[in-house]
Amino acid sequence: ETGVTQTPRHLVMGMTNKKSLKCEQHLGHNAMYWYKQSAKKPLELMFVYSLEERVENNSVPSRFSPECPNSSHLFLHLHTLQPEDSALYLCASSQERIAGNIQYFGAGTRLSVL
Amino acid sequence: SQQGEEDPQALSIQEGENATMNCSYKTSINNLQWYRQNSGRGLVHLILIRSNEREKHSGRLRVTLDTSKKSSSLLITASRAADTASYFCATDAVPGGSQGNLIFGKGTKLSVKP
Repeated sequence: ETGVTQTPRHLVMGMTNKKSLKCEQHLGHNAMYWYKQSAKKPLELMFVYSLEERVENNSVPSRFSPECPNSSHLFLHLHTLQPEDSALYLCASSQERIAGNIQYFGAGTRLSVL
Repeated sequence: SQQGEEDPQALSIQEGENATMNCSYKTSINNLQWYRQNSGRGLVHLILIRSNEREKHSGRLRVTLDTSKKSSSLLITASRAADTASYFCATDAVPGGSQGNLIFGKGTKLSVKP
């Protein structure tokens, strides 16, 4: 195990639902990340948190709303999603947000939007 | 924007053979990493090579880096069926980019047949 746990592993939601993805890391890291992985596309960085402060938002639509209540937990709140948002959502953490950092990934949440 | 690009997109070999995957990138880097992803799971860090290194080994893995050609290769020797996975290169410290962010390629899908 990588020390990064994501729940749920699978999620099916309608376009009008509101749901949340959860990520927890047990590594004592200070930086956490949300990525979106779609078929045949590179991993897309969505949000970066460093010391519980959001430091990057890569032009992600407002229907995705991140929350980092403490350095061990990261949430991704979802509302009024579109079918094209169906993807594998991966959470990662690293010791610090510096060059050469190694990122540790959770197993991901497979999201299907109907 | 995509920095690393792996080649080939897919590779199928027999157990015991060597597998070579290549990664090309566009701008100067400080580090290059290789990650592995089993189907539907998170990514796992394999190896990091710094820009002043030319070759690095870890078990059955050998990574080379040619900064003049902006390319890296990952060699897996004596492959096993358990090596079946997708392999990604990731670069950081793109000039003008955010420190600590990793930019991933689309990956090479390796299939090792028993």
